Amino acid sequence: EAQVTQNPRYLITVTGKKLTVTCSQNMNHEYMSWYRQDPGLGLRQIYYSMNVEVTDKGDVPEGYKVSRKEKRNFPLILESPSPNQTSLYFCASSFGPLNTEAFFGQGTRLTVV
Amino acid sequence: EDKVVQSPLSLVVHEGDTVTLNCSYEVTNFRSLLWYKQEKKAPTFLFMLTSSGIEKKSGRLSSILDKKELSSILNITATQTGDSAIYLCAVPRPTMYSGGGADGLTFGKGTHLIIQP
Repeated sequence: EAQVTQNPRYLITVTGKKLTVTCSQNMNHEYMSWYRQDPGLGLRQIYYSMNVEVTDKGDVPEGYKVSRKEKRNFPLILESPSPNQTSLYFCASSFGPLNTEAFFGQGTRLTVV
Repeated sequence: EDKVVQSPLSLVVHEGDTVTLNCSYEVTNFRSLLWYKQEKKAPTFLFMLTSSGIEKKSGRLSSILDKKELSSILNITATQTGDSAIYLCAVPRPTMYSGGGADGLTFGKGTHLIIQP
């Protein structure tokens, strides 16, 4: 089954403790992105990747890192999480240039206390 | 800066009603517009529109793009409680790199639709 898998689905952590949210897709997609969704602000792009070893900042990259060492995986790293990073996070992938459908993971609800 | 604005932000109707959701956009180098439905989880794809005036339909849902007005509407007829969701409109953001393509999607804030029995 074609899918984008994120883990964990829910995470509560403390300020400053490094964490990684994993994202994996099994569709051989080149494009992958991370978004965060906040009430009243909608979905905003954090980082994106056009292929292995090619990543770039989206609209709200501060406080986040990503890597793309393999085509299928695109982890999101929070080196020192802060409460303002409490949000719902989505990973998405698409086959080619993003004029086509993007597939989303199930989301990771992160709470930083 | 690319902008996508959806209206209304929230809408409550009764089962059986017809609803129209709006999306307007200001983007450089427009290529397409996408509609997604988000229930309690990940957004799921509904439609992609690239040409003005051509209606895309799927059951009770339909959508049309107006490039002249820089807008799109999503219609849902004979609404059901299962249609309750957040409906998201998005446009691809053209990449700065050569070869075309896009860097990601710029989303509107969504329309929260509630269908009451």
